[in-house]
Amino acid sequence: EIVLTQSPGTLSLSPGERATLSCRTTQSVESRFLTWYQHKPGQAPRLIIYSASSRATGIPDRFSGSLSGTDFTLTISRLEPEDFAVYYCQQYIPSFSGSFSGYTFGQGTKLEVK
Amino acid sequence: QVQLQESGPGLVKPSGTLSLSCAVSGASIGSDDYYSWVRQPPGKGLEWIGQIYQSGSTRYCPSLQSRVAISIDKSKNQLSLQLTSVTAADTAVYYCARHSGFSFPTWGQGTLVTVSS
Repeated sequence: EIVLTQSPGTLSLSPGERATLSCRTTQSVESRFLTWYQHKPGQAPRLIIYSASSRATGIPDRFSGSLSGTDFTLTISRLEPEDFAVYYCQQYIPSFSGSFSGYTFGQGTKLEVK
Repeated sequence: QVQLQESGPGLVKPSGTLSLSCAVSGASIGSDDYYSWVRQPPGKGLEWIGQIYQSGSTRYCPSLQSRVAISIDKSKNQLSLQLTSVTAADTAVYYCARHSGFSFPTWGQGTLVTVSS
């Protein structure tokens, strides 16, 4: 079973600071299968990064993503007030020999104002 | 611009069946697209429920596979979710989402379903 583990669970920072959110998967993965979402209360999740490092339409360049082995990182270079939210990583799991194929989410990182 | 809108009963009795629809506008559900259902229980994270392709081919989360069915109605341009034998653990906000590659750029606003007698 592939598990995505996000860390930290909560990250307390101030506007203007740099945020680094981590997501570790249990086996190596193609970058095109990795995604980050931003989720605010009462709203739909918002696609931030796809294919590990590509910004979605309309996402400012202070957001960046990277992949190194099984470690997937979302970096927000300089936090704006609207960036405080919960962030989820997501991985697509392709099918091998009839085994499970689908998606899994990390448990989320809450980015809160310090 | 593609938009999704979930609808259905907000309250379902334990052991009953949860039934939701997701209306698609701005795109034909019969085009080359995948759609998923995702849920978020109160105070918890996102959980992928399953997906459907325009052909009707489906894949489901293993933990829900025995109770879930996702279908497409091309005449109504919508997809549906059915979850049987529900318990309080199925209380959640349910979202439908449209795929692009291996990510979900388009989501509905979500609908809260509470399982309670």
